[in-house]
Amino acid sequence: DQQVKQNSPSLSVQEGRISILNCDYTNSMFDYFLWYKKYPAEGPTFLISISSIKDKNEDGRFTVFLNKSAKHLSLHIVPSQPGDSAVYFCAAFSNSGYALNFGKGTSLLVTP
Amino acid sequence: KAGVTQTPRYLIKTRGQQVTLSCSPISGHRSVSWYQQTPGQGLQFLFEYFSETQRNKGNFPGRFSGRQFSNSRSEMNVSTLELGDSALYLCASSLVGIRDNEQFFGPGTRLTVL
Repeated sequence: DQQVKQNSPSLSVQEGRISILNCDYTNSMFDYFLWYKKYPAEGPTFLISISSIKDKNEDGRFTVFLNKSAKHLSLHIVPSQPGDSAVYFCAAFSNSGYALNFGKGTSLLVTP
Repeated sequence: KAGVTQTPRYLIKTRGQQVTLSCSPISGHRSVSWYQQTPGQGLQFLFEYFSETQRNKGNFPGRFSGRQFSNSRSEMNVSTLELGDSALYLCASSLVGIRDNEQFFGPGTRLTVL
């Protein structure tokens, strides 16, 4: 049962524009959310996270928004750069026995 | 400082065998988490160890087990291998755990079960 869903397997964006990656979750017990980036043949890299007590967290070009009522989070990358081309995984965490659950990833391609 | 290392990098086993994978965390890191990545299921969390104790566990059968030593190195064992266990197994280390923004992943061990 997939508790974290990334419904867009791929996304293509022009360099300089905004990339928006979406993630939905089903379990209201999740209280911490993370985004990871993964290049081919490399392990994932932590990107940004957000606690459920917040609705926004910003780190440079990356901003994560959390809408708890909709059980939805999104990652905004502004401006997008070709080096951002990678697979992005959303993950949700709970200490209450649900551990860490990942979405299946969205492959982002930023074109020059 | 040295990154997370995983050994071996590649492994080929046959059904029914068992396998042990090793992960050496970054020096000073006490949390080690294990993940399975497959094309069909994506990235799935196996378990997390902190100070030699399993702290969190994903939804995997009991054939998957792990342990952590006093030097924080961790091993993952899979018994009675099945074809579906073929995957990339990743470990990640951090100072305090999954909520630690400084979680670093190793390159993974590619396990093929024939």
